[in-house]
Parts: sequence; C-alpha cells; structure tokens
Amino acid sequence: GAGVSQSPRYKVAKRGQDVALRCDPISGHVSLFWYQQALGQGPEFLTYFQNEAQLDKSGLPSDRFFAERPEGSVSTLKIQRTQQEDSAVYLCASSSRGARRDTEAFFGQGTRLTVV
Amino acid sequence: AQKVTQAQTEISVVEKEDVTLDCVYETRDTTYYLFWYKQPPSGELVFLIRRNSFDEQNEISGRYSWNFQKSTSSFNFTITASQVVDSAVYFCALTGGSARQLTFGSGTQLTVLP
Repeated sequence: GAGVSQSPRYKVAKRGQDVALRCDPISGHVSLFWYQQALGQGPEFLTYFQNEAQLDKSGLPSDRFFAERPEGSVSTLKIQRTQQEDSAVYLCASSSRGARRDTEAFFGQGTRLTVV
Repeated sequence: AQKVTQAQTEISVVEKEDVTLDCVYETRDTTYYLFWYKQPPSGELVFLIRRNSFDEQNEISGRYSWNFQKSTSSFNFTITASQVVDSAVYFCALTGGSARQLTFGSGTQLTVLP
C-alpha cells in the first residue's frame, strides 16, 4: 500500500486476555518502530527493528510485551495478560534508511487498545 | 537523556490569526535532529519538517515557518493566517546520539475557530 497500515484499528480486550497488533510498513522500508501513546500524551518509544533484527527493545514496559518482524516486513506487537494500564494507542512507523537518524518516519493510524 | 517540552497544552485562535507553537528541548548530543509532526483526529502522525543541529537557518513553507535557536534550545513553529483545517495536535520531537527513535513532547492541541 501507499502508507503504513495497522490492524485492527480498534481492539477491546478483557483484562488478562492476550492481544496481537499488526503493522504493515511501507514496502521496502528498512526500519520499523513501535510507539505507545497514552491519552493526551506524546508517543513513547517501545521497540525498533532494522529489517528482521530487533535492535532496541528498551522501551517495552514489561515482559508481557513482545514484538517480532520475522521476514523483515510485517511486524506484530503482542501483549500478554493485558492490564488496564495497557490501554493506549499503539503506533507503528517505518522509514527507508536504517543507519541514518535524520530520515523522517511515516506513521500508521494506530491501533486503539482498550482493556476492560 | 533527551527531553522535549511543549508547555502549551491547548491553544485556540480565530481563523486568519497567526499562532506560534513553542518547543524546548534538552540533549547532550552535539548532533541531533528536530522534527515537527501533526496529528489530526484520524490519528496518524504527519511529518512536517526536519532540522539538524548544524543548520540554524529558519525555514518557511507556505503558511508554515520554523525558528530554530540553539542558544535557547528552542524550535518554534508558526502558522500564518491559520485555517480551520490546521486544527490538530502538533508534536515536536528529537533524536540524537545513538538513538534511532524519536523522543516526543506532550503535544499542543491547536483549535482554529471559524
């Protein structure tokens, strides 16, 4: 597609349920990022992939959060045993150059996760 | 550690007024990059501009202009003759050092009234 695509757009999960959020980056983009955006706040970094390698996962808030990008394109963010504090919008972004910091990232519309 | 502060939580202006969104940043890196993104109600972040730390030239793009001042660690964004379609949340962001990810401010909600 032309842009970064995320699915589902909305997800309601019962506390304790596992969820999986999908990101389809722009074709050919090397870098992929996941961010978490709480209501009224700026996005906060979760994890970064360069191709299939997860180079930075320092932002993952707990071991309940897991991300993968096995073939270097589509990525999945999985949250196990969801808690109410996990409620947020999860944004995916991709950029074309892995080694350069000055390249702008293109963002998807996000997945709004509500844990009840 | 990097930090971006957007002190203005909400701004409301009447159409055709000029408005400036403030951004102050903190970083120990000598090479860094500053960004502005727009987040309309649909949710995706739309890239507006990128600036590197060695280029303090101000930039103008149509009704948008940016004022980068290293002396005050500020990267302010001005919209001239605002329009209703400018209503959105605007984020300032920073990356530098070994980091690849962006550090965002908390955003400024701009409402332009007709």
